[in-house]
Amino acid sequence: AQTVTQSQPEMSVQEAETVTLSCTYDTSESDYYLFWYKQPPSRQMILVIRQEAYKQQNATENRFSVNFQKAAKSFSLKISDSQLGDAAMYFCAYRQSGGATNKLIFGTGTLLAVQP
Amino acid sequence: GAGVSQTPSNKVTEKGKYVELRCDPISGHTALYWYRQSLGQGPEFLIYFQGTGAADDSGLPNDRFFAVRPEGSVSTLKIQRTERGDSAVYLCASSLMGTRLETQYFGPGTRLLVL
Repeated sequence: AQTVTQSQPEMSVQEAETVTLSCTYDTSESDYYLFWYKQPPSRQMILVIRQEAYKQQNATENRFSVNFQKAAKSFSLKISDSQLGDAAMYFCAYRQSGGATNKLIFGTGTLLAVQP
Repeated sequence: GAGVSQTPSNKVTEKGKYVELRCDPISGHTALYWYRQSLGQGPEFLIYFQGTGAADDSGLPNDRFFAVRPEGSVSTLKIQRTERGDSAVYLCASSLMGTRLETQYFGPGTRLLVL
């Protein structure tokens, strides 16, 4: 079974600085997708960035980028120029490609605090 | 357009009671998912609908949990004989199937508290 591990329960960053959130996963599949979701206190999960496993190029979305290391099964999220609005819970998630379901498997999350 | 909506936002009930949680997906989205998020945890998959049928209900914890999507749009998650351990945030997500980059869009969730 696939698993997702986030080993940092909490992280803190100064406003305008850069922070990296870690995620590792375990799977025997070769084709899959990885996601980072943000969950503010409003509870709504918001997609931050996604990565297709067959693409070697790391995904970027404005201030957010990932470091995808397929062989190491690592998928970290880098937030540059951190803003107060980035403070939230961040979840890493895995989805298998194909199969009967597209369910997401989530890690336990990292709570990010942004200090002014 | 409108996102995924869930009602009620919060629900308090007593142990042993029956509850229904509603999810309105994004218009036109064919796939609908239910997840449960316990305090301090990531969401855990419960059930997935493709159209009207439950394509995968492997995440339902026991037979007290049931979900329907009779017309392929709105879905209701039903919990019978609630237990204190059912207290959690129940999240619904919808997506447009058939695309390789299928993305699930989440609602704000229903926080269920069983006393």
